[in-house]
Amino acid sequence: ELKVEQNPLFLSMQEGKNYTIYCNYSTTSDRLYWYRQDPGKSLESLFVLLSNGAVKQEGRLMASLDTKARLSTLHITAAVHDLSATYFCAGSEYGNKLVFGAGTILRVKS
Amino acid sequence: DAGITQSPRHKVTETGTPVTLRCHQTENHRYMYWYRQDPGHGLRLIHYSYGVKDTDKGEVSDGYSVSRSKTEDFLLTLESATSSQTSVYFCAISEEPRGAFFGQGTRLTVV
Repeated sequence: ELKVEQNPLFLSMQEGKNYTIYCNYSTTSDRLYWYRQDPGKSLESLFVLLSNGAVKQEGRLMASLDTKARLSTLHITAAVHDLSATYFCAGSEYGNKLVFGAGTILRVKS
Repeated sequence: DAGITQSPRHKVTETGTPVTLRCHQTENHRYMYWYRQDPGHGLRLIHYSYGVKDTDKGEVSDGYSVSRSKTEDFLLTLESATSSQTSVYFCAISEEPRGAFFGQGTRLTVV
C-alpha cells in the first residue's frame, strides 16, 4: 500500500527566498505528480514525473524525482506572493489511483 | 479543461438523510474517482470506477456507495449522512500520462 508523506506541512517564506518541499513515498510508484490548490478552489496539475531523474521546470518551480530514494522535491526559486497556495504531491497506485500527501501550505510574505 | 462538472456545488443536509453527489464528464474517460478533502489529510480516495458498472473501494469507503450506469456519470451516495462526512468532495478523471484532473468540488455540510 502506497503511503505519501510531505514536509513541511506549513511553510512561511519571505519573497525572494528559495526553499524546497519534500515528498517521500513508501513503495514503488510508477509516477509522481505535483498539484497546486488555491483556497476554495480545485486542484491544478503542475508536474508529472515519469521516471527516475526526471526534472521539470515551470517558472519559479522545479520538480524532480529520485525513484531509488523514493523522493520527489519541489523547489521554489525567488518566491513571489503569487506562489502562495497549498501544494500536494501524489503517487500512483494500481488502477491509476492517486495517493496524496497531506499538502504543504505555502505563504509568501512580502 | 477536462470537462468535469460536479453537482451540487454546495449542500447542507441533516444527519441521517441520504445524499447523492453527481460527477459528469464530457470526454469519455474510462477512469473516474471520488475523493474527499479534509484539513491535514490531503485527498483520500472514497471509490473509483474503471468502466460502466465497474467500481471498487478506496481508502475511506465506509458509509458511501457509488454507481456508474453511463460512461459520463459517476454518482456518489451517502446512504445515511453523518457529521463526520462533512467535507469537500472532488470528482476526478484520469488522463494518463498527464494524471488526474479534478472537478470544482462539492462542499457538503451535515448538521
